[in-house]
Amino acid sequence: AQSVSQHNHHVILSEAASLELGCNYSYGGTVNLFWYVQYPGQHLQLLLKYFSGDPLVKGIKGFEAEFIKSKFSFNLRKPSVQWSDTAEYFCAVNALEYGNKLVFGAGTILRVKS
Amino acid sequence: GAVVSQHPSWVICKSGTSVKIECRSLDFQATTMFWYRQFPKQSLMLMATSNEGSKATYEQGVEKDKFLINHASLTLSTLTVTSAHPEDSSFYICSARNSRTSYEQYFGPGTRLTVT
Repeated sequence: AQSVSQHNHHVILSEAASLELGCNYSYGGTVNLFWYVQYPGQHLQLLLKYFSGDPLVKGIKGFEAEFIKSKFSFNLRKPSVQWSDTAEYFCAVNALEYGNKLVFGAGTILRVKS
Repeated sequence: GAVVSQHPSWVICKSGTSVKIECRSLDFQATTMFWYRQFPKQSLMLMATSNEGSKATYEQGVEKDKFLINHASLTLSTLTVTSAHPEDSSFYICSARNSRTSYEQYFGPGTRLTVT
């Protein structure tokens, strides 16, 4: 089945540690890729997106993600996390072959210890 | 940036009653709106897609007679949960996009529905 997989459901890091959250998808063809963040008690916010061009995408708050087409991956990274990055992170894929609907991964809850 | 609002932010209703949730795009024309459901500790599941002026397209397993969606204008969509039951308790989130200009969706803050 077509899907979006996030490898870790819970991640705990200390401040200043580096972060990498994995995301893989199983759609062929043209895709648009997104990472969303949901801070406690708040709504989903867009961190970054990839439509085309440079596969290394920079987003807000120091986050970046790399689209590796051959691996069907779009991993999220941040070199040094802060306590305020504690949130849930969702990878999402919009695939033309799936009618342009946005399909979400299960989410990764990140807790940053101060 | 584009802003999407939802009203109410939370609602408690009795089993058997109906509840209407509104989703508004405040500063752009939402040609397409989406309704999602989020269970605790789970991801967002798409319930239906609605294009302005057209009938909504429901995902497999979503009862269209139970979850009535109306998208009568370019800034407003409504989701009505009819004859609500406790199993309908969930977090309902809408999103909107202007499909003429972008694939990007903008999300509302969500509505927490509790059916007692």
